[in-house]
Amino acid sequence: KAGVTQTPRYLIKTRGQQVTLSCSPISGHRSVSWYQQTPGQGLQFLFEYFSETQRNKGNFPGRFSGRQFSNSRSEMNVSTLELGDSALYLCASRDISNTGELFFGEGSRLTVL
Amino acid sequence: AQSVTQLGSHVSVSEGALVLLRCNYSSSVPPYLFWYVQYPNQGLQLLLKYTSAATLVKGINGFEAEFKKSETSFHLTKPSAHMSDAAEYFCAVTLGGGADGLTFGKGTHLIIQP
Repeated sequence: KAGVTQTPRYLIKTRGQQVTLSCSPISGHRSVSWYQQTPGQGLQFLFEYFSETQRNKGNFPGRFSGRQFSNSRSEMNVSTLELGDSALYLCASRDISNTGELFFGEGSRLTVL
Repeated sequence: AQSVTQLGSHVSVSEGALVLLRCNYSSSVPPYLFWYVQYPNQGLQLLLKYTSAATLVKGINGFEAEFKKSETSFHLTKPSAHMSDAAEYFCAVTLGGGADGLTFGKGTHLIIQP
């Protein structure tokens, strides 16, 4: 069974631009969540989607948004990029019956210049 | 709200020695607790989880953790460290219910000395 796939793996943007990151979950997993990882703040929960609906959201500004498609694939978008948005963005999928048992992708490393 | 504290951002042990990584949690209700491992340039991988069944939980790669409610702790141990155990380890908590994201600790970087 293929794992969680995230694209792109690396990208560089400049302040003020926007970025879209993509995540394909493990087949059969309908829940997809996103996390931001930085050296200073560690791992922080962004949001979780299930059946195309956002079920929970972390404490991030509205510039961070996401969506999920009918095939469970998910995208997250960050608008008006700031230097502080530089981070590793991790996507995770899970079988909804297994609380907290997340399967992570390798992440998308975003650098904002 | 729940929180997790991992004592020691870096822990160094000799190969073959006991590994002990500390995790304390704060939660108003019985939590679900997890340990994840992250190798360089990779995502996180689940080591083990506590979901209110047995208090001593065995995971992959010889790791185990014991849930101690009185101490609000969930420390990770391994009897004998191997060079391949060098990685970043994260303790995490959720209240369950399906929709809650995981709250992670800051992580502990495990260094294995030859």
